Amino acid sequence: AQTVTQSQPEMSVQEAETVTLSCTYDTSESDYYLFWYKQPPSRQMILVIRQEAYKQQNATENRFSVNFQKAAKSFSLKISDSQLGDAAMYFCAYGGNTGKLIFGQGTTLQVKP
Amino acid sequence: EAGVAQSPRYKIIEKRQSVAFWCNPISGHATLYWYQQILGQGPKLLIQFQNNGVVDDSQLPKDRFSAERLKGVDSTLKIQPAKLEDSAVYLCASSLDGRAETQYFGPGTRLLVL
Repeated sequence: AQTVTQSQPEMSVQEAETVTLSCTYDTSESDYYLFWYKQPPSRQMILVIRQEAYKQQNATENRFSVNFQKAAKSFSLKISDSQLGDAAMYFCAYGGNTGKLIFGQGTTLQVKP
Repeated sequence: EAGVAQSPRYKIIEKRQSVAFWCNPISGHATLYWYQQILGQGPKLLIQFQNNGVVDDSQLPKDRFSAERLKGVDSTLKIQPAKLEDSAVYLCASSLDGRAETQYFGPGTRLLVL
């Protein structure tokens, strides 16, 4: 069975600084997808970024980028130039053959002005 | 483009009562998911539909939970009877066609069982 682990329950960053959120996963599948979702206090889950496992190039979306290490089964999210609106719970998620998502426990990000 | 709609947003019931949640996915999305998110945890899949057929309901407590997606569009999730441990946020998500497609989430229904 696939598992996703986020080992940082809480992180904080100063506004305009950079922060990295960690995620590791375990799977025996060779073809899969990885996602980072953001969940603000209003609880609407929003996609931040996605990575196809077959792509070697790390995904980037504006201030958000990932460091995908397939052999190490690691998928970290880097947020550059942090903004107050980035404060939220961030979930790492694995999408495999069936389409369902398996989520990590989440990391609460606090952004300090 | 309208997003995933869910109702109600909040529901408070007493244990042993029944409750139903409704979800309307993004137009044209064939796959619909119901997730349960207990406070402080990541969402966990309850059931996955492809059009009006069930793809995965292995984590659905079938003695008390039921779900349907008539006509392959809207979906209803029901709990009967509710237990205290059912207190959670119930998230509905949809995607174009299952695997590899990005899932879009609704705002969720927050359920409190007293």
